[in-house]
Amino acid sequence: QVQLKETGPGLVQPTQTLSITCTVSGFSLTSYYMQWVRQTPGKGLEWMGFIRSGGSTEYNSEFKSRLSISRDTSKNQVFLKMNSLKTEDTGVYYCARDGEYYGYPFAYWGQGTLVTVSS
Amino acid sequence: DIQMTQSPSSISVSLGDRFTITCRASQDIGNYLSWYQQKPEKSPKLMIYRATNLEDGVPSRFSGSRSGSDYSLTINSLESEDTGIYFCLQHKQYPRTFGGGTKLELK
Repeated sequence: QVQLKETGPGLVQPTQTLSITCTVSGFSLTSYYMQWVRQTPGKGLEWMGFIRSGGSTEYNSEFKSRLSISRDTSKNQVFLKMNSLKTEDTGVYYCARDGEYYGYPFAYWGQGTLVTVSS
Repeated sequence: DIQMTQSPSSISVSLGDRFTITCRASQDIGNYLSWYQQKPEKSPKLMIYRATNLEDGVPSRFSGSRSGSDYSLTINSLESEDTGIYFCLQHKQYPRTFGGGTKLELK
């Protein structure tokens, strides 16, 4: 079955770079878009960006200048990197995938990884 | 970006009651609206997609509807397991945007 699991650093210092890995199983990254969503106390749930099945990316303009999404299809992994972290970036970061047909958004989620930005 | 205004932000309901949450879209989203339930320390769970379609396994006491730019989630006959936070999501266009959430508690 479809499974997604995020792993992250837990604690990141302000101004540093966040790196999170999403490891998937039960499907191929070359067949589905993979999305990143975060949940922060200040802004709630926010769509961050995605990587298409073909490997191109789109980002929310809120993060565009500091966000990068990539993948390693051989390892079934998707990566999120965000630089210049601020305390307001503290929250839970999720990878997610749409369902099997159009109009079926974020049908699958990872369990999320809590990121705390603090010195 | 499309703004999703969700109300109420919180509500206390008695077991067996019926209640409704509403999201208003700032522009036409043509039924591309989904509802999610989130339990504490858990990921959001898709409950309803394209405004009115129940996800597999979701109890039939849940329903979704639309009236103009207002989209509603209704729970008939609340059960204790229905507590949590509910979010709407528009997926008409990117950036996909969420409502602010409704915290449902038992009275």
